[in-house]
Amino acid sequence: GQQVQQSPASLVLQEGENAELQCNFSTSLNSMQWFYQRPGGSLVSLFYNPSGTKHSGRLTSTTVIKERRSSLHISSSQTTDSGTYLCALEHNSAGNKLTFGIGTRVLVRP
Amino acid sequence: EAGVTQSPRYAVLQEGQAVSFWCDPISGHDTLYWYQQPRDQGPQLLVYFRDEAVIDNSQLPSDRFSAVRPKGTNSTLKIQSAKQGDTATYLCASSPGGEQYFGPGTRLTVL
Repeated sequence: GQQVQQSPASLVLQEGENAELQCNFSTSLNSMQWFYQRPGGSLVSLFYNPSGTKHSGRLTSTTVIKERRSSLHISSSQTTDSGTYLCALEHNSAGNKLTFGIGTRVLVRP
Repeated sequence: EAGVTQSPRYAVLQEGQAVSFWCDPISGHDTLYWYQQPRDQGPQLLVYFRDEAVIDNSQLPSDRFSAVRPKGTNSTLKIQSAKQGDTATYLCASSPGGEQYFGPGTRLTVL
């Protein structure tokens, strides 16, 4: 089965609303990496988070290894936050390979 | 510090043609990865190197795809005889160990 599952698949927000994106994983990990991607754009690393909580501006990432989940919280969303958010599990065996989820598409309306 | 660079940014081929993609990783990063990202999907690892050595190419379609990193710096991914199913964005990433940094990708369309 899928090693990394993201939810929701898509999300529509009104500007100013908060959102929580989830990533659940079924195998052991070294770390979870969160990325942002615009349509046709490159992957921008948001967080590299092996465990606990990290903050960057309006974004917060929390990884709870025992519960096999990681989340990305967006506060006070802005239209420029629109895009796809991908989580990727870094395996703790063999070379730090990343296994990606399918992503959450976020649309923030003005 | 320069990021990961890739070229070309776009390629359009007829089925059966060959194409090469080039990647220049961040200086000092010993590990280099190639991913394939079909439209509306997450990236999938094709192959990765530590220095010049291939560590894992188990997901690389070996009959038509090849990848090299001869001096442990730049890398080339080549597709011989492209198929329509190869249509995707090809992403290169590098890492010093741990966090990976991605280039802008090459968007390939096979007609």
